[in-house]
Amino acid sequence: DIQMTQSPSSLSAFVGDRVTITCRASQGVRAYLNWYLQTSGKAPRLLIYVASTLHTGVPSRFSASGSGTEFTLTINSLRREDVGTYYCQQTYTNPRTFGPGTKVEIK
Amino acid sequence: QAQLVQSGAEVKKPGASVKVSCKASGYSLTTYGLSWVRQAPGQGLEWMGWINPYDGNTNYAQKSQGRVTMTTDTSTSTAYMELRSLGFDDTAVYYCARGGDIRAFDIWGQGTMVTVSS
Repeated sequence: DIQMTQSPSSLSAFVGDRVTITCRASQGVRAYLNWYLQTSGKAPRLLIYVASTLHTGVPSRFSASGSGTEFTLTINSLRREDVGTYYCQQTYTNPRTFGPGTKVEIK
Repeated sequence: QAQLVQSGAEVKKPGASVKVSCKASGYSLTTYGLSWVRQAPGQGLEWMGWINPYDGNTNYAQKSQGRVTMTTDTSTSTAYMELRSLGFDDTAVYYCARGGDIRAFDIWGQGTMVTVSS
């Protein structure tokens, strides 16, 4: 199975800050890497697919990049509504593993 | 718009089975894969497996293998996930999500809380 790791596991930043989350895969997943945000008590929602493509309706302050085993998600100018837990997931092979999550809070 | 609506919360005793439904609307169920993901209290997301509603082919996570069955009823655009021999560690919110092949999970159900309690 491909193991996904994320760093940091949590972070606290000010509104307006630039935030970067890293996701690493134990084996190459090409560009089949997706990012989700889960806010408290709700289902996850898709932010980014195939490593760098914004899902419909996702604000342009979100961006992502990477290929192979290392990926990043960046939030330019953090807003209060961005608070929650961010998960990466590979859909290159079964099982479709998720990372452990990065919890983002506002200072 | 496309959406997935799941059945309500369940409370089950250890050793019992649970069957969660997920009704698709706004798109054709057979056009996309359908995955099941669970989340234990305070924990991360765990992929359980997926079904191709077009041909009924399934792929289950090894952890779920032997206890889970995923099916679809295309006449009602509904997917089902049955989990047998429940243990306390099966207590979780169970989500269905559109996707399962290489595509991302772009639509999620609202989640179904399954509590295993004696």
